[in-house]
Amino acid sequence: DAKTTQPPSMDCAEGRAANLPCNHSTISGNEYVYWYRQIHSQGPQYIIHGLKNNETNEMASLIITEDRKSSTLILPHATLRDTAVYYCIVSGNTPLVFGKGTRLSVIA
Amino acid sequence: SAVISQKPSRDICQRGTSLTIQCQVDSQVTMMFWYRQQPGQSLTLIATANQGSEATYESGFVIDKFPISRPNLTFSTLTVSNMSPEDSSIYLCSVATGAYGYTFGSGTRLTVV
Repeated sequence: DAKTTQPPSMDCAEGRAANLPCNHSTISGNEYVYWYRQIHSQGPQYIIHGLKNNETNEMASLIITEDRKSSTLILPHATLRDTAVYYCIVSGNTPLVFGKGTRLSVIA
Repeated sequence: SAVISQKPSRDICQRGTSLTIQCQVDSQVTMMFWYRQQPGQSLTLIATANQGSEATYESGFVIDKFPISRPNLTFSTLTVSNMSPEDSSIYLCSVATGAYGYTFGSGTRLTVV
């Protein structure tokens, strides 16, 4: 079973920051937090991952709380092309187990 | 990150037949993973395929229904056997790619009629 809890859906205005929350209260010390997204039933696309420090790349920022029990994915300037299902996954050296994710709708 | 080529991209098959899905990776990888995504659902792990050993199946999936081959470090196949309409899904392969986490193929959209 997935070890994460995400809201089923969110809306975001185009050009605004999209903040997607994720709870993972049972995360183990060696498990990373991964974020993927899936657009129109294509294969999931890697966004970012982190262990305990905040991370930033060209796509997004990942904020992990100090106790590591929750995290937030931030898309700084959402566009219509960011409309997708976003999956938060915790994993050590094991295959990814997907939960239901958050369906993000970016609205013009 | 690795590049995965998955074939076929889609197929429509008659019930009772079998379909073999191919997954080719542009680099050598130890483990490959096969997932199923039923309509409107999330991804479910079918099995993990290691080169040189039998695949490890998740609960609810059996080798007779989903035989997997892993002849080398860049290739794997998943066969969906004796298909029924309930097997209509998207099937995806995935590999671990180190710093980029896991990479997924574009999927095979299977419709069983």
